[in-house]
Formats: sequence, structure tokens, C-alpha cells
Amino acid sequence: KQEVTQIPAALSVPEGENLVLNCSFTDSAIYNLQWFRQDPGKGLTSLLLIQSSQREQTSGRLNASLDKSSGRSTLYIAASQPGDSATYLCAVKADRGSTLGRLYFGRGTQLTVWP
Amino acid sequence: DVKVTQSSRYLVKRTGEKVFLECVQDMDHENMFWYRQDPGLGLRLIYFSYDVKMKEKGDIPEGYSVSREKKERFSLILESASTNQTSMYLCASRGWGEGNTIYFGEGSWLTVV
Repeated sequence: KQEVTQIPAALSVPEGENLVLNCSFTDSAIYNLQWFRQDPGKGLTSLLLIQSSQREQTSGRLNASLDKSSGRSTLYIAASQPGDSATYLCAVKADRGSTLGRLYFGRGTQLTVWP
Repeated sequence: DVKVTQSSRYLVKRTGEKVFLECVQDMDHENMFWYRQDPGLGLRLIYFSYDVKMKEKGDIPEGYSVSREKKERFSLILESASTNQTSMYLCASRGWGEGNTIYFGEGSWLTVV
């Protein structure tokens, strides 16, 4: 069964720092990988989606990379701001067998950016 | 703008009650999902649906059922609520295009007393 791990579980940094959040997965047979943001008590908001054939995606200060063969993805946040404080989750979409189409989520990295 | 709407944000129900959680999406998506989210356990899939009247069990279907009579609406039913079903419930939908991006509702906080 696919397992998704996110490291670190929590991160606290001063404003302005560049950050790297890590996501690893055990089965490389994925269709895509998606990064989400979740504010306290709210639903998930999609940030970036990387197809399995792609290496990276960028949106503003966010850049996500994917190394499918090694089972890793990173989310890079440039020049962090207090408004970036949230929990960041990654999810992979299965690509084969009985789990086709299923999403597997990591447990998230809780980010705090202080002024 | 993309919209997944969960009708109830906060509910308090008594043990044994039948509970309905409603979810509506306005994107004409074929796929809809119900997850629950608990501290330390992350998101767990309860049920999903690929089409009207179609449903598939997720990882934790016990104690739940679902209904999808119309494409835009996916309901989660707790037949007899129990205290261990106190949780945050998240509905999501996904189309076959758009890179398969999945969209979530705001969540429904259910407390069973």
C-alpha cells in the first residue's frame, strides 16, 4: 500500500526565510502529486499539481519538484511571510491496480512564519 | 470560480441519531469523495463515487453509507452516530480533465455526544 511521509511535521521560521518542505512516497507508480494548504478549521486548497511526466511546477513564490523514481517531492517557498502560516499536505494519485485513481495523503507539515 | 459546498459547518448530534452530511459541487465533476480528518491520523477516505448511483468503499467505510442520486450532490450518512465518529468531515470533487486537480469543501465539524 502506498505510504506518504512528510518531514518535518512542524516548522517555525522568521519572516523572509526560504523554506523546503519534503514529501516522500513508497510506490513510484503515481499518476500525479498535489500540494495543498490547509488553514486551521478549514478545507484544503490546492497549490500545485505535478503530473508524473513533469519535474516541477511553479506558482508565484511556490515551486514544487518531483523525482518519481526516488519517490520524493519538495515544496519550496521563497521569501516566507506570516500569511504562509498553515499546514501543507502532499497527496499522490495512484496509477495502477485496484487503487487506480485513489489519493494518498501525508499528514502534513505545520508551518509557522513569525514576523 | 470552483465551488464545493458542505451544507453544515458545525453539528452536534446525540449518540444513535441518524446524521446526514450534504455536499454539492458546481463543476460538473464525475468524481466525489468523503474523507474524515483526525489529529495524528491525517485524512482517511470513507467513500467515493465515480458517477451517479455509483459508490466505492474507501479505507474506513464502517458505520457510514453514501448516496449519489444526482451528479452534483454526494451525501454521507451516519446510520447511528457514535462518539468515535466525532471528527472533521471533508468532501471533495474531481473531474477527468484540469490535470485531475481535486477541490475540497470547507469541512463539517461533527460532534457526537
